[in-house]
Amino acid sequence: AQKVTQAQTEISVVEKEDVTLDCVYETRDTTYYLFWYKQPPSGELVFLIRRNSFDEQNEISGRYSWNFQKSTSSFNFTITASQVVDSAVYFCALRGYNFNKFYFGSGTKLNVKP
Amino acid sequence: EAGVAQSPRYKIIEKRQSVAFWCNPISGHATLYWYQQILGQGPKLLIQFQNNGVVDDSQLPKDRFSAERLKGVDSTLKIQPAKLEDSAVYLCASSLGTGEYGYTFGSGTRLTVV
Repeated sequence: AQKVTQAQTEISVVEKEDVTLDCVYETRDTTYYLFWYKQPPSGELVFLIRRNSFDEQNEISGRYSWNFQKSTSSFNFTITASQVVDSAVYFCALRGYNFNKFYFGSGTKLNVKP
Repeated sequence: EAGVAQSPRYKIIEKRQSVAFWCNPISGHATLYWYQQILGQGPKLLIQFQNNGVVDDSQLPKDRFSAERLKGVDSTLKIQPAKLEDSAVYLCASSLGTGEYGYTFGSGTRLTVV
C-alpha cells in the first residue's frame, strides 16, 4: 500500500521562527519518489522538491531544507526564519516506481504571523 | 513557458445539474491528470491520460463523472448529475513523462454544489 501521513494539521509560528513539517510515508516499492508541494491561498500547487529513494542526501535551498531518512520512512521539511509569505498549505506526496500516480498527504496548514 | 490553464475558476450549481471543466496542459506534456481536492484534504487522482488514452480511472465515479482528452491535448471533465459531495476544487496537472519528476498543476476550478 502507498500512503503518506502528515500528522500536523495546522501549525502557527511567529515570523523568523524555524518550523519543521513532518511527513511519514509507506510503500512496498524499493524505488520511489517523494515530493513537497506548496499550496498558497490562490490554490495552485507549487512544486518545491523531488527526491528519489536512492538519494538520501539532505538538501538545502535558501531558507528551505529537507531531511530524508529511509530508516524511519520520513521526509521532513524545515523552513528557517519563516516569513509571512510562507503561509500556505504544504503537501507531501509519494509516487511509486510501478504506480505512476501521486499519493498526497492531507496537508499541513502553516500560519506565519508577523 | 505557459502554465496549465483551467476554466472556469469558480462554478456554483444546484444538485442534479451538469457541469464541465476544461484544461489545457503545458505544450508537449503527454500526460494529463485530473485531481479532486475536497476542503481540508489532499488531492485525489480521478483520471490519468497518456496522450489521448486513459491510463488510470480507478477512482473516477463513472456513474456521474466522465472525462475525455481529444487529440491528446485539451481535456474536459464532466459531472452529470452533480451531488452535494462533489463540492471540491478540481485540479488539472500535466507532466512530460509519467510524473517521476513531478507535475505542473493548474489553479483549479472551485465547484460548489448547493
